[in-house]
Amino acid sequence: DSGVTQTPKHLITATGQRVTLRCSPRSGDLSVYWYQQSLDQGLQFLIQYYNGEERAKGNILERFSAQQFPDLHSELNLSSLELGDSALYFCASSVAPHSGNTIYFGEGSWLTVV
Amino acid sequence: AQKITQTQPGMFVQEKEAVTLDCTYDTSDPSYGLFWYKQPSSGEMIFLIYQGSYDQQNATEGRYSLNFQKARKSANLVISASQLGDSAMYFCAMREGGAGGTSYGKLTFGQGTILTVHP
Repeated sequence: DSGVTQTPKHLITATGQRVTLRCSPRSGDLSVYWYQQSLDQGLQFLIQYYNGEERAKGNILERFSAQQFPDLHSELNLSSLELGDSALYFCASSVAPHSGNTIYFGEGSWLTVV
Repeated sequence: AQKITQTQPGMFVQEKEAVTLDCTYDTSDPSYGLFWYKQPSSGEMIFLIYQGSYDQQNATEGRYSLNFQKARKSANLVISASQLGDSAMYFCAMREGGAGGTSYGKLTFGQGTILTVHP
């Protein structure tokens, strides 16, 4: 158990819908990362927050948004869903965004868009 | 250019044997970290081992060791005494930038190597 909690574990929804994925980081970790893993794109970095502030953006679509709340949990919102958004979405956390800090991943949220 | 390269799409090993999974990286940042993760078929991403660019010794964690050759920019994972439960996808990843760096610590992943352990 990495200590990073993600919900829901599985989600099936229709095209055009909106979903929210939730993440609680490890106790004491201030930095949260979101990654998307799909068969064709591999593991892609989406976005990072540190202590409530957005710090880095990767290949995140405009239909997607995220935030980190004062209690440090984070949510990833995916809207106007398309079939291609079906993927495994990971949340990860670390103490701080430095190269020396280990990043631990949650178990992921499997999203299927039908 | 790819920052992390894993040239072995699949590897096979006999139970109780050792296996080496290859990883090469590319960065101009003097401060970076190299990670290996294991992803079993259930999907979770499990942290295995970490090597910092300034670490003098190769990292070890139980049956896992990292063969760090800085001049060659390689960070191969060695699994000793393979077990059936080691069958999984293995990812090498790099995190650039020290304290105050602008990369903000995101990981860049390789494409992964599928390891199959035979009884």
